[in-house]
Amino acid sequence: GNSVTQMEGPVTLSEEAFLTINCTYTATGYPSLFWYVQYPGEGLQLLLKATKADDKGSNKGFEATYRKETTSFHLEKGSVQVSDSAVYFCALRGSQGNLIFGKGTKLSVKP
Amino acid sequence: KAGVTQTPRYLIKTRGQQVTLSCSPISGHRSVSWYQQTPGQGLQFLFEYFSETQRNKGNFPGRFSGRQFSNSRSEMNVSTLELGDSALYLCASSLALNTEAFFGQGTRLTVV
Repeated sequence: GNSVTQMEGPVTLSEEAFLTINCTYTATGYPSLFWYVQYPGEGLQLLLKATKADDKGSNKGFEATYRKETTSFHLEKGSVQVSDSAVYFCALRGSQGNLIFGKGTKLSVKP
Repeated sequence: KAGVTQTPRYLIKTRGQQVTLSCSPISGHRSVSWYQQTPGQGLQFLFEYFSETQRNKGNFPGRFSGRQFSNSRSEMNVSTLELGDSALYLCASSLALNTEAFFGQGTRLTVV
């Protein structure tokens, strides 16, 4: 069945450090892929998405590229800020339309 | 434009009781999905409604049910509450099926 695996956290970085959060998926076909972010006490916000192989999603300095050969969708940001501290979820849209999420990776950025 | 509104934000219930959670989608959105978020299981899909019909259902017991009204507002109900039902319940609205999902802030349910 469909599943998403993302790196366990927590991840602690200093401000302006480079961020990578790994995400791999198992799915039939080529599902749409997403990164969502959850700030404390909030719901989920869509950060970026990619709908087909080799697509690059980007938003607010974050990027992720849909790699079908490695079934991956790693999240990257060149220079993180304290305000990026949150939990990040990788997700795919299953064949029935629902979102299937990874376990989440908590990011803490220290000044 | 108003976002997805979930009420109430917090609930405390006793084992064996039932609870109803409400979700008002973004104006014009016709699809509403519900997810349960727990520390152990993460985010799990409960069900999706579109045009008042349940289109998809996750792997939850029959104690979990939902419905959607003609104005697209949705409710989910959990009967005979168990301690393990304590979770953050998130509602997401979409313009249509398989389109971008916008999430509400969630309802934090605590079962004691």
